[in-house]
Amino acid sequence: DIQMTQSPSTLSASVGDRVNFTCRASQSVGSWLAWFQQKPGKAPKLLIYKASTLKSGVPSRFSGSGSGTEFTLTISSLQPDDFATYYCQQCYSYSRSFGQGTRVEIK
Amino acid sequence: QVQLVQSGSEFKKPGASVKVSCKASGYTFTHYAVNWVRQAPGQGLEWMGWINTDTGNPTYAQGFTGRFVFSLDTSVSTAFLQISSLEAGDTAVFFCAREGGQKEIDYWGQGTLVTVSS
Repeated sequence: DIQMTQSPSTLSASVGDRVNFTCRASQSVGSWLAWFQQKPGKAPKLLIYKASTLKSGVPSRFSGSGSGTEFTLTISSLQPDDFATYYCQQCYSYSRSFGQGTRVEIK
Repeated sequence: QVQLVQSGSEFKKPGASVKVSCKASGYTFTHYAVNWVRQAPGQGLEWMGWINTDTGNPTYAQGFTGRFVFSLDTSVSTAFLQISSLEAGDTAVFFCAREGGQKEIDYWGQGTLVTVSS
């Protein structure tokens, strides 16, 4: 199975900061990578799919990049609503897998 | 609009079984696969597998074979997750989620908390 590793596990940042999270795959997943945001007690929400395609309705401050084994989610200017946990998921293999998540907390 | 509505919280004793439902609306049910995801308390998301809603063929992730069964009732656009021989370690929120055309999980149910305790 493909293992997904996210870093950092926790990120402390302030409103207005530009933040980046990394997701690494144990083998190439092409561009078959999605990013989700989850807030406590809620279902995850899709932000980005196919590594860099923004889901309709998601603010443009979110962007995704990368291919193969290394991917990045960027929030260009962190907003109060963005404090949450972010997960990547590879959709390449028949057996999908999530990363362990990056929690964004207020600095 | 697309909606996935799951059944309510369950409290079960060890050894019992539970069946979680996921009713879809707002789209043609058999055109999109349904994934199942587990989230243990305070933990991350764990992909359990998916079911092809056209053929009924399930795929289970490692660690979710044997006691976990995915099924469908296409007449009412509903997917089911059944877990047998429940253990305390099965306590978690279980999500159903639709898989979109680009393999992405684009819509999620609200989650069902299953608590296993004696």
